[in-house]
This record gives sequence, structure tokens and C-alpha cells, in this order.
Amino acid sequence: EPEVTQTPSHQVTQMGQEVILRCVPISNHLYFYWYRQILGQKVEFLVSFYNNEISEKSEIFDDQFSVERPDGSNFTLKIRSTKLEDSAMYFCASSGLRGAYEQYFGPGTRLTVT
Amino acid sequence: AQSVSQHNHHVILSEAASLELGCNYSYGGTVNLFWYVQYPGQHLQLLLKYFSGDPLVKGIKGFEAEFIKSKFSFNLRKPSVQWSDTAEYFCAVKGYGNKLVFGAGTILRVKS
Repeated sequence: EPEVTQTPSHQVTQMGQEVILRCVPISNHLYFYWYRQILGQKVEFLVSFYNNEISEKSEIFDDQFSVERPDGSNFTLKIRSTKLEDSAMYFCASSGLRGAYEQYFGPGTRLTVT
Repeated sequence: AQSVSQHNHHVILSEAASLELGCNYSYGGTVNLFWYVQYPGQHLQLLLKYFSGDPLVKGIKGFEAEFIKSKFSFNLRKPSVQWSDTAEYFCAVKGYGNKLVFGAGTILRVKS
């Protein structure tokens, strides 16, 4: 069964450093998402991406964040200058059609900012 | 704004007990509703979904949920839990746009 994959599984970085989290969505999916879960808190939506552009973003997704689909398979989340409060589990998800299909989630990347 | 409330943060049951996890959402329009499960060390997996039609939906592993529009609820049920159902369960709603709004999650522990 096809699945969403994410790398790395755990990333440790120092405050102020840039990090790139990588995701490979399910191959025939059209919509891509990033969510995060700070320890002990809810899973929160960050951004959705369709047709090579952001279709929706939350207030969390400020100028420090960016997303990219650099080739036909990868989908990345970049945090330009990490802060302590960016420490969280970051989940990538993908779905087939707008509003019609469920989102499939990857295993997550645990980001620790020290 | 859309929001989801899950009533119990921790639930402990013995094997064979019945399960009901509460979920209420806040959104006035047409919603799609989901229950996801996260087993220890694993990623979020879809248990079941409601888009339209029969408000009683059946999912994997013997789970079902009932959409009650008048109560803005989508409670998850299972008649007889197993030790392997130990996991965290998340209710989510998709309203306007594509984003999912999640509840805080319910950690279920089943004692063998």
C-alpha cells in the first residue's frame, strides 16, 4: 500500500539555524500539507499546497516558513531561522482530490531546537 | 472558526469492554468528519470518515462512528476493545478549505 514518507525521523538543530524537512507524498496525489504537534498540544495545520503554490496557510506559517516541491516527488518544509518554540513533531500529509478524499499522513519528523 | 472538542483525554478500559469516545465540533456549514488513530511509535492512520449519507459509518478494526448533526457530534464506538486498541485517537473536521482541524486526542489504554 502506498504511503507518505518523511525524512529525517529526528532532527536536532541549534536556535537560529535553518532546517529542511522532507516528505515524499503518495505518487498520484495532488494536495500536500504540513501539520505540526507541539508536545502535549493539538495537531495544528500549517499549510496546504496545490499546483505548485500555497492554497491555504495558518497564522503559524509566517515568513520564517516556506514550502517547495522541487521535483515531481519531494515536498519540503523549510524553517529559515529556528526558534525554541519550533520544537515539535512535523507531519506531512497528502490527498488525492480537493474535498473528496482523506489525507494520508507520514510518520513525522521530530524537530528539537536547542 | 472551526474547532473540535474531545471529552476525555485519558481512558482506561479492560479488554472486552465497550468504548465510546466523544467528539463535538463547531462549524455551521457542511463538514467532513474523521477519526484518526496513532498507535505507539506509528503515524496517524485513518480509522473512518463521514462525508455524506448514512450517519452511521463503519471503519477498520470494528470501529464505527455516528454523526448527529443536531448535536454537532461524531462519537467513536467499539463494542469490545482489545489490548491492541491501545493508542491515541483523534477526531478531526474538514470544513471550509482543505485543512483538518484536530481535537486534542484521547489516549486509550486497554488492560489485558
